[in-house]
Amino acid sequence: IAGITQAPTSQILAAGRRMTLRCTQDMRHNAMYWYRQDLGLGLRLIHYSNTAGTTGKGEVPDGYSVSRANTDDFPLTLASAVPSQTSVYFCASSDSFEGEQFFGPGTRLTVL
Amino acid sequence: GQNIDQPTEMTATEGAIVQINCTYQTSGFNGLFWYQQHAGEAPTFLSYNVLDGLEEKGRFSSFLSRSKGYSYLLLKELQMKDSASYLCAELDSNYQLIWGAGTKLIIKP
Repeated sequence: IAGITQAPTSQILAAGRRMTLRCTQDMRHNAMYWYRQDLGLGLRLIHYSNTAGTTGKGEVPDGYSVSRANTDDFPLTLASAVPSQTSVYFCASSDSFEGEQFFGPGTRLTVL
Repeated sequence: GQNIDQPTEMTATEGAIVQINCTYQTSGFNGLFWYQQHAGEAPTFLSYNVLDGLEEKGRFSSFLSRSKGYSYLLLKELQMKDSASYLCAELDSNYQLIWGAGTKLIIKP
């Protein structure tokens, strides 16, 4: 693989279900991010990780959790999905926390 | 919180020049990014400004005035493929990006 990948591409999920969105990068970037993008709003940061083993909360972390066991992977988990979590989710990575961010193709999630 | 303001939508003609403005709050500023996002795709990096002035990169240029909390993206010799949303983002005091809602640019023949 080259760059940053996300899975699944899209998903329809029943409310209350648990869901993990996967993100993998092969650029050996230290920093990784999860954003959600909703119509009419800017990208909003959910969680971030400046380096493997550390994570931090962004602007809208409630209902989401992340882990960063290694440099390449940064999964996002919705413990109990709610309809307001319907959105397009983008994972991104950067070489440093102030550098250019590279985005994955996104996951379109619908919670019914 | 911090606000990033940019126009919701702009229309321009193929071959022309368009300027997309962005204003941001100046406290804790660490840089200003512009990204391009085609419909249904991921954002891609266009430019980064941290010092005042104009940065030129081919048909695209980006300008920054830190004292005014103002930036613009200038697109020259517009092509149909430039139809996209253009996202302005400020790197804040915590080195997190604060994003504007984006400007949808429509190019007409």
